[in-house]
Amino acid sequence: DTAVSQTPKYLVTQMGNDKSIKCEQNLGHDTMYWYKQDSKKFLKIMFSYNNKELIINETVPNRFSPKSPDKAHLNLHINSLELGDSAVYFCASRSTGGGEKLFFGSGTQLSVL
Amino acid sequence: GEDVEQSLFLSVREGDSSVINCTYTDSSSTYLYWYKQEPGAGLQLLTYIFSNMDMKQDQRLTVLLNKKDKHLSLRIADTQTGDSAIYFCAEDRGADGLTFGKGTHLIIQP
Repeated sequence: DTAVSQTPKYLVTQMGNDKSIKCEQNLGHDTMYWYKQDSKKFLKIMFSYNNKELIINETVPNRFSPKSPDKAHLNLHINSLELGDSAVYFCASRSTGGGEKLFFGSGTQLSVL
Repeated sequence: GEDVEQSLFLSVREGDSSVINCTYTDSSSTYLYWYKQEPGAGLQLLTYIFSNMDMKQDQRLTVLLNKKDKHLSLRIADTQTGDSAIYFCAEDRGADGLTFGKGTHLIIQP
């Protein structure tokens, strides 16, 4: 059983389109995250979501919006895709309480043409 | 600064020890982590250390923590070709999640 699963694994789309990436965790964690990994492999946190509290990295454009239908899911919606959005997006989750391990999904490679 | 710093590349011979260094920023971080990323894969937790420890050993892996200098290192003994990957240092910033370094590409020479 995959602990943190995200779909799709690959996403190729045209500039200007709107797309979503889904994430589900079956670990019972209460906090979920989205990270972006650029072509140089640098990882940056985009959002964290805990009990309906959303913490946003201020550098993230408002074209990106996380949506959490329930504790086990945190989906990422991206509007008006741009070339610079091409990256690998990782979902992650953990329990809060100090020092809990962060578990990652296998990533979604987004290519904007 | 606000960044977790690590060297981008490390090249070692197969069988030698690899030492990957990291400097973190938040002295209140209670946990520090090492993650491994193989090509085309996600991030895998390799090991972690609690901030009140100086050292942690787990088979071929040794983590050293110098809290005064905010310096963390990962030593891999008897480095094998399967250890070839990107290694990320990360500090725990509580509700803000983990902040990662830029990753060290470990290159193994035969």
